[in-house]
Amino acid sequence: SQELEQSPQSLIVQEGKNLTINCTSSKTLYGLYWYKQKYGEGLIFLMMLQKGGEEKSHEKITAKLDEKKQQSSLHITASQPSHAGIYLCGADTDSGYALNFGKGTSLLVTP
Amino acid sequence: NAGVTQTPKFQVLKTGQSMTLQCAQDMNHEYMSWYRQDPGMGLRLIHYSVGAGITDQGEVPNGYNVSRSTTEDFPLRLLSAAPSQTSVYFCASSYSNGQETQYFGPGTRLLVL
Repeated sequence: SQELEQSPQSLIVQEGKNLTINCTSSKTLYGLYWYKQKYGEGLIFLMMLQKGGEEKSHEKITAKLDEKKQQSSLHITASQPSHAGIYLCGADTDSGYALNFGKGTSLLVTP
Repeated sequence: NAGVTQTPKFQVLKTGQSMTLQCAQDMNHEYMSWYRQDPGMGLRLIHYSVGAGITDQGEVPNGYNVSRSTTEDFPLRLLSAAPSQTSVYFCASSYSNGQETQYFGPGTRLLVL
């Protein structure tokens, strides 16, 4: 089965700083999803990447998919306290009916 | 649309008790799934369904039963709760398989004593 490894496990950054979260797959990535989870709440969909080299941005968050490296990165520019939470990457399972998830990266943004 | 709803939000059970976690969606999604989230383990797939009347096992199905009698509802049953089932449970749905966004419910926090 596919395994997704996220790094770092946790991150504390000062407000205004940039940061990057990585998600590396043990298998070829055909669809990679990024979700954000506020502490104690459900998952909020951020972005989906389908093709190698694809890059998507939403507000100050940019995600890229490197198919050859079987890796995706999530970059936040000029972080704000509202960016705090757990970021999870997910990839399509072999059945295509659900997702495999990484263990998540916990982000804290300090004033 | 209400999206994906889950009830209850919180539940405390004693070992051996049974209960049903409810999940409903009003988006006419064919695909629904149940995950559990544990510290340090991420989200793990319990069961999923590709349509009414069709269910299949995920990564961690033991101790859980599901059924899908309607497109809208996908309940998760714990027949005899165990402390190892203490977790946060998320229900998700999507319109079709692969390459489609999965929408998640707010979660049910379950404590088994």
